[in-house]
Amino acid sequence: GQNIDQPTEMTATEGAIVQINCTYQTSGFNGLFWYQQHAGEAPTFLSYNVLDGLEEKGRFSSFLSRSKGYSYLLLKELQMKDSASYLCAVKGGSYIPTFGRGTSLIVHP
Amino acid sequence: GAVVSQHPSWVICKSGTSVKIECRSLDFQATTMFWYRQFPKQSLMLMATSNEGSKATYEQGVEKDKFLINHASLTLSTLTVTSAHPEDSSFYICSALYGGAGAKPGELFFGEGSRLTVL
Repeated sequence: GQNIDQPTEMTATEGAIVQINCTYQTSGFNGLFWYQQHAGEAPTFLSYNVLDGLEEKGRFSSFLSRSKGYSYLLLKELQMKDSASYLCAVKGGSYIPTFGRGTSLIVHP
Repeated sequence: GAVVSQHPSWVICKSGTSVKIECRSLDFQATTMFWYRQFPKQSLMLMATSNEGSKATYEQGVEKDKFLINHASLTLSTLTVTSAHPEDSSFYICSALYGGAGAKPGELFFGEGSRLTVL
């Protein structure tokens, strides 16, 4: 089976940096995704990691350590519109990603 | 990126009636689509995998006779909630794997979601 764990909720200040962690235990590993989901909307793709290291894309970066079963999503220069749920999803032995419960990020002025 | 469209966005129905939700891939062919359900503040829970031209594969605990899935063409999958009850009220989201240029292996493209409220 697969187990994906991430914090339920985080708060941060506008303009700051926040790191959302995700740990996983899976049978097999074929990639880790981060999705952003605003309330009442479908998830949108943010990042994909399959090799160890940091992937940077604008204000968002994602890190992966396969040996530790660990990833994080780093958001810089936070904006109010970044308030959303952030979903960590892992593709194990199956071709279908399994989602964690999501981390609700609240950005305040 | 690839576009997946879902309809209707909102639906309210009476208990005991059936509701059909459509999921279309607009600019690519999707042999496989996925149906998820999401309760408030919960993660996406995979309900079933819809395969074009064959029977859907349901996850454990999902009633196949209650949640009918039809994938009659390469661009359309439908989910019918039969004899809906208030506990079926949820956010239903479809997605498809797009293997074309630019997509990451295993990346899912999601429809807009359908919020079902059963009175």
